[in-house]
Amino acid sequence: GDSVTQMEGPVTLSEEAFLTINCTYTATGYPSLFWYVQYPGEGLQLLLKATKADDKGSNKGFEATYRKETTSFHLEKGSVQVSDSAVYFCALRRTAGNKLTFGGGTRVLVKP
Amino acid sequence: ETGVTQSPTHLIKTRGQQVTLRCSSQSGHNTVSWYQQALGQGPQFIFQYYREEENGRGNFPPRFSGLQFPNYSSELNVNALELDDSALYLCASSWTSGNTGELFFGEGSRLTVL
Repeated sequence: GDSVTQMEGPVTLSEEAFLTINCTYTATGYPSLFWYVQYPGEGLQLLLKATKADDKGSNKGFEATYRKETTSFHLEKGSVQVSDSAVYFCALRRTAGNKLTFGGGTRVLVKP
Repeated sequence: ETGVTQSPTHLIKTRGQQVTLRCSSQSGHNTVSWYQQALGQGPQFIFQYYREEENGRGNFPPRFSGLQFPNYSSELNVNALELDDSALYLCASSWTSGNTGELFFGEGSRLTVL
């Protein structure tokens, strides 16, 4: 079945540091890939997405590139802020239906 | 435009009881999905409703059931509660016609089973 594996946290960084969260997936066909973010006390929010190989999703300074050859969708940000402290979830959606398969989440803590 | 709203936000039940959680979808959205998020884990798909019919289900037993109403709001019912049912239950709404997979999530209902 479909699965998503992402690096375990917590990841602790200083402000303005570079952030990478690794995500790999297993799925047949050509899934769409997503990063969702969960800020403290809030619901999940879509951060970015990519729907086909080599697409790059970007939003709020975050980027991720859909790599079909390595089945990966790593999240990166060049300079994190304290406000980026949250839990980040990588997810995939098969081409049919609206079911999302999520990874386990990575907690990121950015210190001033 | 109102977002996805869920109620109650927190509740405590005992093993064997039944619980009903409620969700109002985002304005204009006709599809509702439910997810279970255990502590420290990613959300897991329970099922999805479209036009008042269940049209997709994850690996959850039949004691997890749901309803969707003509106004697209939805309920999740869990019978014979078990300790492992303690989790955050998330509702998400979407348009199916666009099929972009972008879901809009509520803040969740946190269920504790004692």
